[in-house]
Amino acid sequence: QSVLTQPPSVSAAPGQTVTISCSGSRSNIGNNYVSWYQQLPGTAPKLLIYDNDKRPSGIPDRFSGSKSGTSATLGITGLQTGDEADYYCGTWDSSLSGGGVFGGGTKLTVL
Amino acid sequence: EVQLVESGGGLVQPGGSLRLSCATSGFTFRNYEMNWVRQAPGKGLEWVSYITSDGYAKYYADSVKGRFTISRDNAKNSLYLQMNSLRAEDTAVYYCARDDIQLWLTFDYWGQGTLVTVSS
Repeated sequence: QSVLTQPPSVSAAPGQTVTISCSGSRSNIGNNYVSWYQQLPGTAPKLLIYDNDKRPSGIPDRFSGSKSGTSATLGITGLQTGDEADYYCGTWDSSLSGGGVFGGGTKLTVL
Repeated sequence: EVQLVESGGGLVQPGGSLRLSCATSGFTFRNYEMNWVRQAPGKGLEWVSYITSDGYAKYYADSVKGRFTISRDNAKNSLYLQMNSLRAEDTAVYYCARDDIQLWLTFDYWGQGTLVTVSS
């Protein structure tokens, strides 16, 4: 059971927009920044969004992030078949056990 | 170009030990904090361990605390994970991941991973 909660799957047609939610608590998302990772099939994860809403260089502006309270959202506009991947949210938890925490991942299917 | 290359994975019996290595290049290793993150087959990501740039502070997930030890050699630009008392549930691809220089536990570069299989 992951500390952060994501929907197992989402789908949309090419060109459409999709959002992926990530729900946590005050000890993780509520008090810390969120990052998002894209994992294409058979590859290592790649940083997509950091510090809630910032994109590393080379990440197209079709990808966006936001955070409100204890939840975060990844948005992808103008969906492409190459966006089919698993997406993970991550942050750190400031509770006693602490450390990095991830969502369970969301499989994006571009129909 | 930043590169992280893991090695040392393989098949090990329950209760056994394994040492993973991560060779890095393309950045000033001694300036960065580092992590190990794992992914069980068909499952999600799990943070395993973190080490500060000078190697003095280390943190572990509860699932590996007391069994795994993270270390680094800044002269060799390398990160390590010593894994003891291995269990079947430790079976996973283990990734070496660099910490963003300003944002703790934000993983800005990842290696390709090395597979550890714990089975008799």
